Amino acid sequence: SQKIEQNSEALNIQEGKTATLTCNYTNYSPAYLQWYRQDPGRGPVFLLLIRENEKEKRKERLKVTFDTTLKQSLFHITASQPADSATYLCALDITDSWGKLQFGAGTQVVVTP
Amino acid sequence: NAGVTQTPKFQVLKTGQSMTLQCAQDMNHNSMYWYRQDPGMGLRLIYYSASEGTTDKGEVPNGYNVSRLNKREFSLRLESAAPSQTSVYFCASSVEPGNQPQHFGDGTRLSIL
Repeated sequence: SQKIEQNSEALNIQEGKTATLTCNYTNYSPAYLQWYRQDPGRGPVFLLLIRENEKEKRKERLKVTFDTTLKQSLFHITASQPADSATYLCALDITDSWGKLQFGAGTQVVVTP
Repeated sequence: NAGVTQTPKFQVLKTGQSMTLQCAQDMNHNSMYWYRQDPGMGLRLIYYSASEGTTDKGEVPNGYNVSRLNKREFSLRLESAAPSQTSVYFCASSVEPGNQPQHFGDGTRLSIL
């Protein structure tokens, strides 16, 4: 069966350090992968999209990598700040169902001063 | 610019009651989606509408119906609510299906007793 795995344990990190989150998937061949941020009581907010032919994408302090051989994406927050505390979701398209995203359950990040 | 607006924000129903969740977007997007989010699980797609006049089932469509009323509005109906449908429901939209960021509303929190 198709599966997306994100670390269910919260990631506690000190301000200024780099947070690294993983998104592993099986039995998919996604054309692209997206990362979202979700704050308590709010809807997800889009952060980055990376396509299968791209190895890395950056946006300000955020960096995403996409390894289709390992079936894994890594999401990095550099110079983390308390305002980065949130749950981060990865989402993959299902290439035979264009536009349908499958979401992981998310990883909570807690940045302490 | 409101983005994606969902109403109501909270609702309590009794088993067997019916209800329609409303969603409207003001970004002139072609595609709209309904998801549910349960604790410890990723967002799961209920239905989506790739463009005005079309709808298609997602991962968990049973017990739900949708209507794409016009380009702006996409409603979700529970005909006979069941406790298993207690969840947070999110509506989202994108410019086109596939390879595009999705923009989410802040959700409807629905409890069915």
